Amino acid sequence: AQSVSQHNHHVILSEAASLELGCNYSYGGTVNLFWYVQYPGQHLQLLLKYFSGDPLVKGIKGFEAEFIKSKFSFNLRKPSVQWSDTAEYFCAVNRGGATNKLIFGTGTLLAVQP
Amino acid sequence: EAGVAQSPRYKIIEKRQSVAFWCNPISGHATLYWYQQILGQGPKLLIQFQNNGVVDDSQLPKDRFSAERLKGVDSTLKIQPAKLEDSAVYLCASSQATGYYGYTFGSGTRLTVV
Repeated sequence: AQSVSQHNHHVILSEAASLELGCNYSYGGTVNLFWYVQYPGQHLQLLLKYFSGDPLVKGIKGFEAEFIKSKFSFNLRKPSVQWSDTAEYFCAVNRGGATNKLIFGTGTLLAVQP
Repeated sequence: EAGVAQSPRYKIIEKRQSVAFWCNPISGHATLYWYQQILGQGPKLLIQFQNNGVVDDSQLPKDRFSAERLKGVDSTLKIQPAKLEDSAVYLCASSQATGYYGYTFGSGTRLTVV
């Protein structure tokens, strides 16, 4: 079935550690890719998105993601995490066109220990 | 810019009762989405509107869920009768036509069915 997969359900890191969260999708053709973050008690917020161009995308708060078409992947990275990055992270895909709905992965819960 | 407004924030009902959620999208956003987010899972699209027409309702349990978007602005999602498994956060989001400028999410309504 067509889907968005996030391999890590829970990640625990210490402050200043590097972060990489995996995201793979199984759709062929053109896709648009997103990472959203949900801080405790808050609504989903856009971290970054990829539509076209440079496959290395920089987002807010020091996050970046790399689109690797051959691997159907869009992994999220941050070189040095902070306690305030504790949140749930969702990868999402839309396929453009008339039905531009977002399809989400199951999410990764990140806990950063001070 | 005002965000996506949703109400109520919380609702507790007994099974077999009915409930309604309201959403007011960002002004000028033609597309409105209702998502269901069950604890531990990513948001799942229930229904997508383009102006006041339904674009995708393939995952809406139509025997108990209904939604409308009169006049192409705000929207109401109803559940009647509710089941225990409907306990979730119901998210409303809106976007411009292609989603290129992102999708803006409301804070959601947390429904508990007891």
